[in-house]
Amino acid sequence: DGGITQSPKYLFRKEGQNVTLSCEQNLNHDAMYWYRQDPGQGLRLIYYSQIVNDFQKGDIAEGYSVSREKKESFPLTVTSAQKNPTAFYLCASSIDLANNEQFFGPGTRLTVL
Amino acid sequence: AQRVTQPEKLLSVFKGAPVELKCNYSYSGSPELFWYVQYSRQRLQLLLRHISRESIKGFTADLNKGETSFHLKKPFAQEEDSAMYYCALGRTSGSRLTFGEGTQLTVNP
Repeated sequence: DGGITQSPKYLFRKEGQNVTLSCEQNLNHDAMYWYRQDPGQGLRLIYYSQIVNDFQKGDIAEGYSVSREKKESFPLTVTSAQKNPTAFYLCASSIDLANNEQFFGPGTRLTVL
Repeated sequence: AQRVTQPEKLLSVFKGAPVELKCNYSYSGSPELFWYVQYSRQRLQLLLRHISRESIKGFTADLNKGETSFHLKKPFAQEEDSAMYYCALGRTSGSRLTFGEGTQLTVNP
């Protein structure tokens, strides 16, 4: 089954802990993205990467970090510095940054206890 | 700066009625506009893009550069159209997308 996978589906974290969300794609896409989805605020871009070993901050990068060591993988770490981390996180990919059509994963719901 | 506005957070219509979801954008360059849809318990997916000029599931959207709008329309709404709809803006040269706040459409029987 091709596409984008995210794990886990639900994640619980205690305050003060870092947590890493997984995103994997087998579409051979160069570009990958992380969004945060909050009710009434739409999708806000956290980080994006157009190629391996390269990534750029989006609109709300503070308190988050990413890596892109492999083309297929773009994990997102939510650090303890993120003030309001409880949200739904979506990963997406596109053929490259020049192609605007993005394909989305199923999402991870992060809850901070 | 790129900006997308969807003025209606919630929209409710009856089955068979026409529906229009509004989207306005601000961008000084050459825009590329999209509508994405998220059905209940499904992932976000592309519904249509203005450059393809297609009709998908009976929905159409026309880019109006004069009014900087990209409204989504369907003449006869169906219950299965109930979903969250997001308008998104990109550049024709490609780049990150800017999403609107979303409109939750409910089609009542």
